Amino acid sequence: GDSVTQMEGPVTLSEEAFLTINCTYTATGYPSLFWYVQYPGEGLQLLLKATKADDKGSNKGFEATYRKETTSFHLEKGSVQVSDSAVYFCALSGQSSARQLTFGSGTQLTVLP
Amino acid sequence: EAGVAQSPRYKIIEKRQSVAFWCNPISGHATLYWYQQILGQGPKLLIQFQNNGVVDDSQLPKDRFSAERLKGVDSTLKIQPAKLEDSAVYLCASSPQGPELFFGEGSRLTVL
Repeated sequence: GDSVTQMEGPVTLSEEAFLTINCTYTATGYPSLFWYVQYPGEGLQLLLKATKADDKGSNKGFEATYRKETTSFHLEKGSVQVSDSAVYFCALSGQSSARQLTFGSGTQLTVLP
Repeated sequence: EAGVAQSPRYKIIEKRQSVAFWCNPISGHATLYWYQQILGQGPKLLIQFQNNGVVDDSQLPKDRFSAERLKGVDSTLKIQPAKLEDSAVYLCASSPQGPELFFGEGSRLTVL
């Protein structure tokens, strides 16, 4: 079945550091890929998405590129802020999964001032 | 636009007791999901509704969990009897079409 493997956390960075959170997936066909973010005390929010190979999703300075050849969708940000501290989830929606999301285990990011 | 509403936000019960969670999706969203998020793990789908019909409940522990979506709008998720391993956050999400989901804040259950 479909699965998502995420870089284990927690990740602690200083403000303005470069961020990469690795995500790889297993799925048949051409899934859609997502990054969701969960701020403390809040629900999951869509951060960005990509629906086909080589698409780049971007939002709030975060980017991720859908790489079919490496089955990856790594999240990057050039300069993190304290307000980016949250849990980040990589997810996919497979062609056979009836619009369901399969999530990775999440990566806790803490940004220190 | 109002988001997905869930209640209660927190619930503490003893094992073998019952509990119910309520969800009101975003108006007009035909698809509704319940996910279970155990601490340190990603959300896991329990059940998916399309309008008031069940699309997928293959991962719902049917001996103790039940869910319904009356009139294709609000939904309730019930656990009876609860076990210690049911301690988790129960997330409701809705979607108009396509795979982008909109989540509520969740209901945190602690089973003692």
